[in-house]
Amino acid sequence: DIQMTQSPSTLSAFVGDRVTITCRASQSISSWLAWYQQKPGKAPKLLIYKASNLESGVPSRFSGSGSGTEFTLTISSLQPDDSATYFCQHCDYFSETFGQGTKVEIK
Amino acid sequence: EVQLLESGGDLVQPGESLRLACAASGFTFRSYAMTWVRQAPGKGLEWVSVISGSSDATHYADSVKGRFTTSRDNSKNTLYLEMNYLRAEDTAVYYCGKTRGNSDFSLHYWGQGTLVTVSS
Repeated sequence: DIQMTQSPSTLSAFVGDRVTITCRASQSISSWLAWYQQKPGKAPKLLIYKASNLESGVPSRFSGSGSGTEFTLTISSLQPDDSATYFCQHCDYFSETFGQGTKVEIK
Repeated sequence: EVQLLESGGDLVQPGESLRLACAASGFTFRSYAMTWVRQAPGKGLEWVSVISGSSDATHYADSVKGRFTTSRDNSKNTLYLEMNYLRAEDTAVYYCGKTRGNSDFSLHYWGQGTLVTVSS
């Protein structure tokens, strides 16, 4: 099975900072990667699909990049509403493993 | 508007069974693979299972294989998760999710979740 490893586990940044979260796959997954945002007590929300495609309605400060085994989620200018946990997911045919999550806190 | 509504979560004892349901509306249900994802208290997301639109293919996480069965009734626009031989480690909020389709298994719609607690 393909394993997904996210880093860091937590990060703390100021409003306006550029923030990057990394997700690494144990083997190549092409561009079959999604990113989600989850706030406490809520269902996850899709941000990015196929590694770099912004889901409709998601602010343009979110972007995704990468292919193969290394992927990044970038928040270009961190906002207070971005305080949440972020998960990557390998979403290929019947293989849908999640990363362990990255908690983003606002300083 | 796409809506997914899970139901069936409950407090059960170890070894017991439970069936969850996910009622879907707002899209052509039979055309999309559907996924179950769970989240134990204070933990991350764990993919549980996926079923194709026509039910001809299902796939399960190793942690539930042989104990859980995913099915769907396209005439009722409803997804099911039959859970047998429940263990304490199955305690979690269970979410159903709609895949984007076209070979993309990312989940762009989620239900609100239903809590399953396994405890004696």
